[in-house]
Amino acid sequence: GESVGLHLPTLSVQEGDNSIINCAYSNSASDYFIWYKQESGKGPQFIIDIRSNMDKRQGQRVTVLLNKTVKHLSLQIAATQPGDSAVYFCAENIKGGKLIFGQGTELSVKP
Amino acid sequence: GAGVSQSPSNKVTEKGKDVELRCDPISGHTALYWYRQSLGQGLEFLIYFQGNSAPDKSGLPSDRFSAERTGGSVSTLTIQRTQQEDSAVYLCASSPAGSAYEQYFGPGTRLTVT
Repeated sequence: GESVGLHLPTLSVQEGDNSIINCAYSNSASDYFIWYKQESGKGPQFIIDIRSNMDKRQGQRVTVLLNKTVKHLSLQIAATQPGDSAVYFCAENIKGGKLIFGQGTELSVKP
Repeated sequence: GAGVSQSPSNKVTEKGKDVELRCDPISGHTALYWYRQSLGQGLEFLIYFQGNSAPDKSGLPSDRFSAERTGGSVSTLTIQRTQQEDSAVYLCASSPAGSAYEQYFGPGTRLTVT
């Protein structure tokens, strides 16, 4: 069935280091993949997305990589800051906005 | 402009009672979505509305759940005869035309069924 899952439920990094959050997906028909950041008590916040016909996209301090061969998605955060501490979710767009979310990875940044 | 707003922020209800949760999307956004998030879990899709099209209700867990969107703007999610397993945070999101996957979320309504 449809599923999007994460390899690592928790990730602890030192401030200034780079972070890599991984995600596996199973639906080959998904046309977009999206990363969201959720801080405690708030709704998810859109970070970056990537079309299925791309393998890399860069934003401000973030890069998303898509490997369709192994159905793997990753989010790289450069120079991680304390404000990056949150739960990160990957999601795949199945149909017209129907998003399937992964379980989330909690990122903890140590000062 | 304002983001997506939801009310109430918290709702405690007794098992068997009906509840209504409200969502005000971002002005001008054409699509509106409802998700449910259980403690420490990812988001579970419930329903979405796109313009004047029939809503996609494929994620609603039972016929106790229903949603309406009036005038293409405000939406209400209704849960009838609430059960303890309905306890969760209910999140609403909206997206602009042509960017259905770029969803902007509200802060959610935390529902507790006692």
